Amino acid sequence: EAGVAQSPRYKIIEKRQSVAFWCNPISGHATLYWYQQILGQGPKLLIQFQNNGVVDDSQLPKDRFSAERLKGVDSTLKIQPAKLEDSAVYLCASSNVRGAPYEQYFGPGTRLTVT
Amino acid sequence: GDSVTQMEGPVTLSEEAFLTINCTYTATGYPSLFWYVQYPGEGLQLLLKATKADDKGSNKGFEATYRKETTSFHLEKGSVQVSDSAVYFCASSGGYNKLIFGAGTRLAVHP
Repeated sequence: EAGVAQSPRYKIIEKRQSVAFWCNPISGHATLYWYQQILGQGPKLLIQFQNNGVVDDSQLPKDRFSAERLKGVDSTLKIQPAKLEDSAVYLCASSNVRGAPYEQYFGPGTRLTVT
Repeated sequence: GDSVTQMEGPVTLSEEAFLTINCTYTATGYPSLFWYVQYPGEGLQLLLKATKADDKGSNKGFEATYRKETTSFHLEKGSVQVSDSAVYFCASSGGYNKLIFGAGTRLAVHP
């Protein structure tokens, strides 16, 4: 079974530029998550999709971050314009089971450096 | 709000030493509890889980017991190996199938 795919793996941009990350979840997984992991911290949930609908985006900085999951499969997370504090690893995860207990499967992440 | 607190790292051990990584949680309900591991250059992987009080999760020689009375889920292993070197994250489940992570504890095992 193929895992969660993410691209690119690394990205370096200057502040005020825009950037987009792509995620393809495990086939059949209805729930998709985007996390931000700042160095030395645990992952923080940015947005959660159930199929192509948003379940939770309470911690997404909506003035600069956006995400979509067209057709309920792959997803794109965009930052525009980027700030220095956006430097982090962006993790995508997917899961197949609603309700507890459940298990999320993580991709390798995209490491973003904003200079 | 709900939160997870882990012991700070790095934890440095010699091979075959006993490992304990402390984790405590605060929650308004009865969450499920998890340990995830992140090996260098890889994504997070579920190591073990427990869904109710007194449950013991175990995998690859690691164990953790869900202690409701102390709101803890400490990770233990009797004899660590160099290959166990990684960052370990404790997590609890929140509403809508969310995970709330601790800050992570880096483990370095030396031969």
